[in-house]
Amino acid sequence: GENVEQHPSTLSVQEGDSAVIKCTYSDSASNYFPWYKQELGKGPQLIIDIRSNVGEKKDQRIAVTLNKTAKHFSLHITETQPEDSAVYFCAAKRPTGGGNKLTFGTGTQLKVEL
Amino acid sequence: ETGVTQSPTHLIKTRGQQVTLRCSSQSGHNTVSWYQQALGQGPQFIFQYYREEENGRGNFPPRFSGLQFPNYSSELNVNALELDDSALYLCASSRDSGTGSEQYFGPGTRLTVT
Repeated sequence: GENVEQHPSTLSVQEGDSAVIKCTYSDSASNYFPWYKQELGKGPQLIIDIRSNVGEKKDQRIAVTLNKTAKHFSLHITETQPEDSAVYFCAAKRPTGGGNKLTFGTGTQLKVEL
Repeated sequence: ETGVTQSPTHLIKTRGQQVTLRCSSQSGHNTVSWYQQALGQGPQFIFQYYREEENGRGNFPPRFSGLQFPNYSSELNVNALELDDSALYLCASSRDSGTGSEQYFGPGTRLTVT
């Protein structure tokens, strides 16, 4: 089955700096890659996603890039703010089988310091 | 638009007991997926319900079962609770069961098995 690896497990940046989180996936058939932000005591919140027919997608300070050949995708957050501090999860999904099954990475604890 | 809601928020059960968790999907969504999130880990897919039937399942034993009702709300039932079942149980709803359908998570139910 699909396996998603995520790095780094923890990331500390200064406010205003950029943060990059990287994920690799094993199943070349996967074609949908969402990113979730999870704050303490809350459920994961969908912040951006990308489909395999697109190489890059941007939404204000957040961007995601996808390299299908290398089977990796990355989350880029620019001009980080303290409220960006949270755990971020990447995920991957196959087009067929398993219903809506998302396979998640192990998470990145992002801390934005003042 | 109403978001995904889950009840109860917290639950403490004894090993061997049975538990039922509930989820109301977001308005306009007909598909519900359940995930288990152990502490410090990414969510793990349990199963998905579409049109009141299970149409995708992860690597969880049969003592994990579910239901979906005509109003698209759903229940997760776990029999013969084990200590390792202690986790955050997340429900996610999506507009349909299609490959790129975005999933939106509820706040979760924290289950503790003693």
